[in-house]
Amino acid sequence: DTEVTQTPKHLVMGMTNKKSLKCEQHMGHRAMYWYKQKAKKPPELMFVYSYEKLSINESVPSRFSPECPNSSLLNLHLHALQPEDSALYLCASSQDPSRNTGNQPQHFGDGTRLSIL
Amino acid sequence: EDQVTQSPEALRLQEGESSSLNCSYTVSGLRGLFWYRQDPGKGPEFLFTLYSAGEEKEKERLKATLTKKESFLHITAPKPEDSATYLCAVQPQFTGANNLFFGTGTRLTVIP
Repeated sequence: DTEVTQTPKHLVMGMTNKKSLKCEQHMGHRAMYWYKQKAKKPPELMFVYSYEKLSINESVPSRFSPECPNSSLLNLHLHALQPEDSALYLCASSQDPSRNTGNQPQHFGDGTRLSIL
Repeated sequence: EDQVTQSPEALRLQEGESSSLNCSYTVSGLRGLFWYRQDPGKGPEFLFTLYSAGEEKEKERLKATLTKKESFLHITAPKPEDSATYLCAVQPQFTGANNLFFGTGTRLTVIP
């Protein structure tokens, strides 16, 4: 079992719905990430939170809105998504996000499989 | 430009038939190289971190090695449960400390 927990495991929503994806880790990690993964493709980085502050936004459309309420939780709020947004959304965390102590492995959850009708 | 290339794209092995997966990278300084295993419908599972050329790491039937231009994941006497997609990712030295660049993966199938 992974130490990064994502809910829900599956989500089907219409293009006008608003929903949220949730991620939780209790490893004391201070960096948390959202990735998008399409079938047979590698994960693509969307957002990075470092010490609960957004540090990287990889030019993600505003219909995706991340939130980090505390060091253990990460949310991804979804609104007015498009069919091409259907994918596996992965959350990850790593220990110390400081530039000088990089090369910390990222640990992934099992993702939320999102389908947009 | 930072780039990661994995080969082969897919590999079918008989149980017990050893082989190697390749990850070639071009980065402006390497902070770390990571190997992950991903099963269908699951998130990537961390396997190894390699930091410097000449380094080797082992775990059960897997052994990862690193040179200045590439990394190999050697699989010795594989079993069907080793079937998965193996992803290589690099963390460049001079971009954000959290950035990982993934290769497209090698889909390994081990036939009983």
